[in-house]
Amino acid sequence: QAGLTQPPSVSKGLRQTATFICTGNSNNVGDQGVAWLQQHQGHPPKLLSYRSNNRPSGISARLSASRSGNTASLTITGLQPEDEADYYCSAWDSSLSAWVFGGGTKLTVL
Amino acid sequence: EVQLLESGGGLVQPGGSLRLSCAASGFTFSSYAISWVRQAPGKGLEWVSTISGGGGSTFYADSVKGRFTISRDNSRNTLYLHMNSLRAEDTAIYYCAKMADYWGQGTLVTVSS
Repeated sequence: QAGLTQPPSVSKGLRQTATFICTGNSNNVGDQGVAWLQQHQGHPPKLLSYRSNNRPSGISARLSASRSGNTASLTITGLQPEDEADYYCSAWDSSLSAWVFGGGTKLTVL
Repeated sequence: EVQLLESGGGLVQPGGSLRLSCAASGFTFSSYAISWVRQAPGKGLEWVSTISGGGGSTFYADSVKGRFTISRDNSRNTLYLHMNSLRAEDTAIYYCAKMADYWGQGTLVTVSS
């Protein structure tokens, strides 16, 4: 099954802003939006945002998500060392009847 | 508190079989589709399979279709993944997930001779 497209890495300085991009098509990202997941090394994924712009309780207000057409984005402001992790987007593909994932973007906080 | 606890992973030879379990608590298990997602060492997340709340609908990734079977026992709040004809490329941490908001800690499956 074809997946979503994410850049492999992003590097930003402390207290800067990082933006993650996820590109799909009208059957997945453009249909019901994406979930954004954060994964620290050795830990399971953690939900940051669902249906593109809804933030679960307990998730920092430094995070915001949006979607335009078949492209979704996640922005983290005021980067902290603990934000260094892998970030994945995921969506249900109504044509494939399958969950699809992006390859993940590794965030390095300098 | 929602909890998903996987078990059943281990070392298995190529061509062998294994059954994973996922015990769920903290939510109405039968009301939700549940999925298996795996992650090979050093790689990204890969969806494996999903089963509807009632168990009547199942979905599989092409890479496991015909070899893996997902099932659930709603009376026991437990999800299963029966894995047959295992290959080296099936080596991964297998997560049980109520996509995408709740994830288990994962169980490691290693396929090697």
